[in-house]
Amino acid sequence: KAGVTQTPRYLIKTRGQQVTLSCSPISGHRSVSWYQQTPGQGLQFLFEYFSETQRNKGNFPGRFSGRQFSNSRSEMNVSTLELGDSALYLCASSLTTDSNQPQHFGDGTRLSIL
Amino acid sequence: AQSVTQPDIHITVSEGASLELRCNYSYGATPYLFWYVQSPGQGLQLLLKYFSGDTLVQGIKGFEAEFKRSQSSFNLRKPSVHWSDAAEYFCAVGKAAGNKLTFGGGTRVLVKP
Repeated sequence: KAGVTQTPRYLIKTRGQQVTLSCSPISGHRSVSWYQQTPGQGLQFLFEYFSETQRNKGNFPGRFSGRQFSNSRSEMNVSTLELGDSALYLCASSLTTDSNQPQHFGDGTRLSIL
Repeated sequence: AQSVTQPDIHITVSEGASLELRCNYSYGATPYLFWYVQSPGQGLQLLLKYFSGDTLVQGIKGFEAEFKRSQSSFNLRKPSVHWSDAAEYFCAVGKAAGNKLTFGGGTRVLVKP
């Protein structure tokens, strides 16, 4: 069974640009969550999607947005990139929104802002 | 608001020695507690989880954790460390519904030969 796939693995952008990251969950998983990991702030929750609806949102500015498609694949978008957006962005999928179901993480997309 | 504290940023342990990683949480209701491990350049792998029941939880790779409500702790242990256990370990707390996790700052484990 394939794991969570995140593309691209690495990305370099400049300030002011926008970026879209993609996450393909494990087959059958309908919940997708996104996290930002930085050396300074650690792992922070961005948002969670289930059945194409955002169910939870973290404390990030509106420049960070996401969506989920009918096949459960998810994208997150960051507009007007800032230097502080440089981070590893991790996606996790699970069967449902029930915490009893384990979350499986992808290897992340490393975003560097120049 | 929920929070997680991992007091030790780095721990160095000799191969074959025991390991204990500390985790303290703050959460108003019954917590859902997790330990994850992250190897360099990779995502997070779930080691074990606690929701209810027996307070000593067994996980993968020979790890176990003990939930102590009175101390708001969920410490991770391994009796004998292998060189492959060198990684960063994260404790996290979640709610019953929803997959939002609040993570601690992580503990980086170095294993000496």
